Amino acid sequence: RKEVEQDPGPFNVPEGATVAFNCTYSNSASQSFFWYRQDCRKEPKLLMSVYSSGNEDGRFTAQLNRASQYISLLIRDSKLSDSATYLCVVNKGSSASKIIFGSGTRLSIRP
Amino acid sequence: GAGVSQSPRYKVAKRGQDVALRCDPISGHVSLFWYQQALGQGPEFLTYFQNEAQLDKSGLPSDRFFAERPEGSVSTLKIQRTQQEDSAVYLCASSSFPANTYEQYFGPGTRLTVT
Repeated sequence: RKEVEQDPGPFNVPEGATVAFNCTYSNSASQSFFWYRQDCRKEPKLLMSVYSSGNEDGRFTAQLNRASQYISLLIRDSKLSDSATYLCVVNKGSSASKIIFGSGTRLSIRP
Repeated sequence: GAGVSQSPRYKVAKRGQDVALRCDPISGHVSLFWYQQALGQGPEFLTYFQNEAQLDKSGLPSDRFFAERPEGSVSTLKIQRTQQEDSAVYLCASSSFPANTYEQYFGPGTRLTVT
């Protein structure tokens, strides 16, 4: 089993829709969680950190469920510019190097 | 301000050739990471530097891969006797330390094609 698993998609939704996807992780000792966004043939960029209490940034909401070992990303009122691959990232411990990226979920927003 | 830069952006090597990939991190960033990203996959960790010290090289796939950061700034990833399976995008990222959020800033990557 992969340490970090994501549904590869693609998710193809109309502009204005709400879309959500999950990411599961296998190591219960994981401490930090993030969502990165990667546009086609570009580098990954941090979208948001995921806190235990959940967090919201505009149209984006991230949640953490430690008991079930998954994190989620919800995008409301989706825009064409949200089309990208969303990478789930899990840090396994206190060392900065123990960072695992998921394979990404592809999202395509259609007009 | 200037972000992370990498050079070359594209590299085509014949199987068996040696290649050197350069990363210029954000000025003042103590942590530097190298990742390998295959098509359709997420970045896979290769190695990590804190200043000039290589603290983790557990992700390097073989002894053909070597990385250095001699002065704690610019880093070079060297691949000797390249093989076709080495074809990938090599991403460099840097981060401030101590890192409260572990946010990493990525460079544009070097796309390596081994023919």
